[in-house]
Amino acid sequence: KAGVTQTPRYLIKTRGQQVTLSCSPISGHRSVSWYQQTPGQGLQFLFEYFSETQRNKGNFPGRFSGRQFSNSRSEMNVSTLELGDSALYLCASSLDRSSYNEQFFGPGTRLTVL
Amino acid sequence: KNEVEQSPQNLTAQEGEFITINCSYSVGISALHWLQQHPGGGIVSLFMLSSGKKKHGRLIATINIQEKHSSLHITASHPRDSAVYICAVKGNDMRFGAGTRLTVKP
Repeated sequence: KAGVTQTPRYLIKTRGQQVTLSCSPISGHRSVSWYQQTPGQGLQFLFEYFSETQRNKGNFPGRFSGRQFSNSRSEMNVSTLELGDSALYLCASSLDRSSYNEQFFGPGTRLTVL
Repeated sequence: KNEVEQSPQNLTAQEGEFITINCSYSVGISALHWLQQHPGGGIVSLFMLSSGKKKHGRLIATINIQEKHSSLHITASHPRDSAVYICAVKGNDMRFGAGTRLTVKP
């Protein structure tokens, strides 16, 4: 079974631009979560999607948004990029929203904002 | 104070040593996860715990719900265990510890 895939793997943008990152979960997994990892703040929860609905959102500004499609693939968008948005963005999928399901992480998208 | 505290932040061990990484949390949780992150960023889930103890090979994880504390043990450590180990707790959302950077020297 293929793992979680994220595209693109690397991205360089300039301040003020917007970016869209994509995540394809493991086949059959319906829950997708997004995380931001920076050297200063570590790993932080961004959002969780299940059945095309955002179920939970972390403490991030409205510039960060996302969606999930009927095939469970998910995208996240960051508008009006700031230097501080430079980070590794990880998505993880699980079978459903149960806390007792293992999360499988993708390789991440490394975003650099210049 | 962070809601999830890990100790130590950095740990260097000789091959074969027994290693313990600790995680304390202050929020209500339904489950606790131990994650391993290698250089380059890839994260692997090692354990999910809601009570008691689990063992996979040389790795053992325990949790004490009353004391809000979990430990990850590595027996007979090996250089390939060198990685960052992250404790994550699942309540309404996922909260992460800052990670423990483990280096195992041959």
